[in-house]
Parts: sequence; C-alpha cells; structure tokens
Amino acid sequence: GIQVEQSPPDLILQEGANSTLRCNFSDSVNNLQWFHQNPWGQLINLFYIPSGTKQNGRLSATTVATERYSLLYISSSQTTDSGVYFCAVLRNGNKLVFGAGTILRVKS
Amino acid sequence: DAGVTQSPTHLIKTRGQQVTLRCSPKSGHDTVSWYQQALGQGPQFIFQYYEEEERQRGNFPDRFSGHQFPNYSSELNVNALLLGDSALYLCASSLVQGSNTGELFFGEGSRLTVL
Repeated sequence: GIQVEQSPPDLILQEGANSTLRCNFSDSVNNLQWFHQNPWGQLINLFYIPSGTKQNGRLSATTVATERYSLLYISSSQTTDSGVYFCAVLRNGNKLVFGAGTILRVKS
Repeated sequence: DAGVTQSPTHLIKTRGQQVTLRCSPKSGHDTVSWYQQALGQGPQFIFQYYEEEERQRGNFPDRFSGHQFPNYSSELNVNALLLGDSALYLCASSLVQGSNTGELFFGEGSRLTVL
C-alpha cells in the first residue's frame, strides 16, 4: 500500500517563528489533506489539497503531485498552534492513509 | 451547520465485553468512515459505509462490525474486547465523488479504555 512519511517528527518553536512541515508519499494520490489534532483529540481540517497551493491566514500549503510531496507552512506561530499535524492521502477508493504526524510545540 | 457528532465521548469497559459507538455525519454528507487511533500513532482505517453497505474495510478482525442507517448515521460495534482495543475511535463523514471519497471531516472521537 501507499506509504506516507512526515518530517520532522518533533518541532519546538519560539512564538513568532515560522516553520515548514513536509509530507512525502510513495505513489500518486487523488486526495491529500492536512489536519491539526488538538489536545482533546479532534482532527481539525486545515487543507484539502491534492495539488497546487492554498492559503488560509497564517497557514499555507503546497502539493507537488508529480514529485509526491506536500508542504505545510506556518508563519508567525502562536502557542495555540501547538499539537500534532497529520498529512493523509487517498490513492484509490475510500481509505485515507495517515502519516505518523509532526508534534509541534510553540513556546511563549 | 452541525458537524460530525460522536457518542459517547469517553467509556470504560472490561475485557470480553462489547461496545457500541455512534456517529452522526455532517449535514449533507452520505458516507461515514471509522478510524482507530492508538496513543502516539496516526489514525488507522477500519471501514467505510455508504448506502447502508460496507464499502471498504481495513485490516481489522471480524470483531469490528458496523452499520449505517437510512438517515446516514452509523454505529461501530466491537465484540470480545481486548486490552489492545483501547484507543480513540474517530468517525469521519464525506460525500462520495465517483468511485472515490471526497474531503473527510472528523468528529471529536470516542475514547475507549479496556481494563
């Protein structure tokens, strides 16, 4: 099956810093989503981005489908950005495959 | 616009018991998927329901079963609980897009502890 690798596994930032999270996948995909999991466990949708670039406030994402990677940019980080960020892909059918996540800690 | 809702939020069971978890999809969605998330890991696909049928299944034993009702809500049943079934169970809803699944939206999850 398709493999999803996220890097880095852990990231500690000072408030106000910028960061880039990476997601590599092993095959072509029909769907790619980025999620933020809050401390209570809920997965919050950040981007639905099988290809191209999108921006939402301080967050933006780029997926280069031909090179099988996606990047999530966080600018001017805030303590509320802390949590786990997941990339998930769907190749064929109905099963989203998740990466192991990036744990982000933003210190004030 | 109501999002995906799950119940109960927390529950504790003992080994060998059975559990039923419930999910109501986001308004307008017709497909429900269930995922299991063990501590420190990414969610793993259990199965998906569409038109009251199991559409696809992940690598989970038959102890895990489900149902979808005419109003698109769904239940996940786990029989003969094992300690290893302790996890966060996440429900996601979406709209079918041809043969594939569209963007998924997740509920807050049901945290199951098996003692």
